[in-house]
Order: sequence, then structure tokens, then C-alpha cells
Amino acid sequence: ETGVTQSPTHLIKTRGQQVTLRCSSQSGHNTVSWYQQALGQGPQFIFQYYREEENGRGNFPPRFSGLQFPNYSSELNVNALELDDSALYLCASSFDANEQFFGPGTRLTVL
Amino acid sequence: AQSVTQPDIHITVSEGASLELRCNYSYGATPYLFWYVQSPGQGLQLLLKYFSGDTLVQGIKGFEAEFKRSQSSFNLRKPSVHWSDAAEYFCAVGASGTGRRALTFGSGTRLQVQP
Repeated sequence: ETGVTQSPTHLIKTRGQQVTLRCSSQSGHNTVSWYQQALGQGPQFIFQYYREEENGRGNFPPRFSGLQFPNYSSELNVNALELDDSALYLCASSFDANEQFFGPGTRLTVL
Repeated sequence: AQSVTQPDIHITVSEGASLELRCNYSYGATPYLFWYVQSPGQGLQLLLKYFSGDTLVQGIKGFEAEFKRSQSSFNLRKPSVHWSDAAEYFCAVGASGTGRRALTFGSGTRLQVQP
């Protein structure tokens, strides 16, 4: 059974650019959640997708958007990058979202 | 709104000593509670979870946690710490019910293990 995978591992962008992060969910899972983890902090919920529909959103601006595909993989898109967007972005998949399995994360650095 | 407090930012214990990491939560209904561990530069690994039933739950790597509703706590314990336990530990709370809800995390406790 393959776990949750994320790509890329690391990414460097400049302010104002756009970025797309990808997540492949664990086999059999239909829910994907995205979290942002700033340095020295706990993860914060960005949004969740269930069966290709957004199923909840945290306190993040609209420039954070996402997609879920029919195979339940997911993308996180961030437009107009700001310095404060530098963080570890974690994807978690689940069948029942109260038990979420996390990927290794994508480290985004915005210069 | 739900919230999680981990009062200890950093804890240092000697190898072989016992460990208790504190977690207090705020939630209006029956919470789903979790402990995750994160090694440097890594994702989160689930140590254990509490949904209902026995309030003392066993997890992986010899960890256990006890749910105390009266104290709104879910403290993590280990009787004898190993050097490999050095990591960041996060307590999280999720909603019960329909099962598709966000997790709310505490700010974490960094565990350092001295030889």
C-alpha cells in the first residue's frame, strides 16, 4: 500500500509568483486536507476536498485554492506569493477524515 | 471554536526517564483527539488516537495517552524514553460526527533526550 506522497520536496519562488503543489492520496482514501506549517508552529488547516468538492476552509485568503481529481489526488495553488507564505505544506488523506495520514510535505521558500 | 494548548514548548529528559507531554483542548462536544510526532524536515506520524471508549489509549513506539474529560486533557506518556524519541510532538483535536472535519493542532512540544 502506497502512502501519501507530495511533490516537489522543496521549492523556491519569489514574491508575486504563483505555485502549484501536488499530493497523491493513499490508496482507498477519498478525502484530502491541506495544512500550512510555519517554522516553529503547529500545522494550520487550509482546506479540505471530499470527492472533488471543497468541504471546508480555514482562515486563508482566496489566493489559496485547490483541486481534487477523480483519482482523489489533489493540488494546492497559491497566487501572488508573499514572504509569509514560506512554510512546510502538508497534505493528508483519509477515508474517514478523523484519521488523517500525512505526507512528507513540501517546503516552500518565498524570497 | 476548538483549540489545543500544549503548555510546554521544550522539554529535556534523560534517556530511560519517564515522559509526560501535556495537552489541553477546548471543544464543545465529544472530541476526537490525536497525538502526532514529527522528526526534523518530515511529515507527521500518528502515534495514537482517542475516539471513544477506554480513556487510556495505547499507541505505537510504547506511547500511551489518557483522556480526562473533567480536565479537558489528553496527556501523552512514555515510561522510558529512548534517544530516538527526540522530535516534535503535536496534539490535535477533530470533530466527531460526520467525520470530515479539519484537525486543530497545538503549537507543539519539542522533546530533547540527553544521553
